Amino acid sequence: EIVMTQSPATLSVSPGERATLSCRASQTVSSNLAWFQQKPGQSPRLLIFGASTRATGIPARFSGSGSGTEFTLTISSLQSEDFAHYFCQQYNRWPTTFGQGTKVEIK
Amino acid sequence: QLQLQESGPGLVKPSGTLSLTCSVSGGSISDSNYYWGWIRQPPGKGLEWIGTIFYGGSTYYSPSFTSRATMSVDTSQNQFSLNLTSVTAADTAVYYCARRIIVGRPGWFDPWGQGILVTVAS
Repeated sequence: EIVMTQSPATLSVSPGERATLSCRASQTVSSNLAWFQQKPGQSPRLLIFGASTRATGIPARFSGSGSGTEFTLTISSLQSEDFAHYFCQQYNRWPTTFGQGTKVEIK
Repeated sequence: QLQLQESGPGLVKPSGTLSLTCSVSGGSISDSNYYWGWIRQPPGKGLEWIGTIFYGGSTYYSPSFTSRATMSVDTSQNQFSLNLTSVTAADTAVYYCARRIIVGRPGWFDPWGQGILVTVAS
């Protein structure tokens, strides 16, 4: 199975700053990668699919990039509501797998 | 707007069977553009895909669960279900149901249910 590794585990950022999250696949997943946001006590919310396409209603400050094995989620200017956990999911090969997540916390 | 809601016991005894149902509203489970899946999240850990079902009954399970998981669908009730047998404390988790889009291949999950915490304990 494809192992998804996210880094860093925790990212401390001040409001208004840029956050850059990484997701690495143990083998190529092409552009078949999604990003999710999860807040405490809530279910995951789709942010990005196809590595770079924002889901409906997702603000433009969220952007995804990458292909193959290296992917990045960038939040251009962190808002208070963006402090949360973020997960990536590869759906290129069965079984689909998720990264362990990055927690974005207030610095 | 499509909504999913998990239901079932919050406590299951070791060696027993975990049984959950996902009720779908605001859309049809018989839509051929989607699969329907179960994902779980142990406390403080990441997400694990358990399995996926199509409205016609075709199922796909993670290798980690193929021997213990069974999924079924009830199109008349717009629901699908998960049974997980021989549970242990390691099966304690929040269980989510979610819709999975088909984009030539099974794709991402969206939306998700709110999740249900299932604890395995005597």
